[in-house]
Amino acid sequence: DGGITQSPKYLFRKEGQNVTLSCEQNLNHDAMYWYRQDPGQGLRLIYYSQIVNDFQKGDIAEGYSVSREKKESFPLTVTSAQKNPTAFYLCASSQGPTGNTIYFGEGSWLTVV
Amino acid sequence: AQSVAQPEDQVNVAEGNPLTVKCTYSVSGNPYLFWYVQYPNRGLQFLLKYITGDNLVKGSYGFEAEFNKSQTSFHLKKPSALVSDSALYFCAVRDDSNYQLIWGAGTKLIIKP
Repeated sequence: DGGITQSPKYLFRKEGQNVTLSCEQNLNHDAMYWYRQDPGQGLRLIYYSQIVNDFQKGDIAEGYSVSREKKESFPLTVTSAQKNPTAFYLCASSQGPTGNTIYFGEGSWLTVV
Repeated sequence: AQSVAQPEDQVNVAEGNPLTVKCTYSVSGNPYLFWYVQYPNRGLQFLLKYITGDNLVKGSYGFEAEFNKSQTSFHLKKPSALVSDSALYFCAVRDDSNYQLIWGAGTKLIIKP
């Protein structure tokens, strides 16, 4: 099936650790996105990439890093510099710049223990 | 500044009754507007979008939305609610400065049997 696959669904991080969330899409979309969702709140954009080997910071990029080495993959690393990383993380993709529909993965829960 | 607002945190509707979830926006140019639905612990699913054309947009699962330029609104509607429509609904508008989506805070829709 075509779609966006995020893994793992649940991840626990100890203080001071970096963790990486995986996002893979087989929709042949050019653009990919990472959003953060906190309980009872809307979505906030972390990073986005409109083309391979290029990405831009979103509204809350501090403490996060990404790479876009392949069209289908856009992993997100939550670094130890992110002071409050516990949240639901959503990866998404679209055919091109927004105006086109964005499609989402099923999300990953990150909890700091 | 460009923005989107969902004035209701929660909407309660009896099954079989019509439902409306409200969204208002503010953009400098022509609006690109979207509605998404999120079920618990899942990613967002696209319902419908308005870019241009007919003010009444039909989408998935029997939902529709009415674009009203004079009132800068894009309310989501359904003629007859189902219990399975209970979920979190997000309105979004495209930011003309970077072509990313600006998200509303979400409205929790509860359909009572």
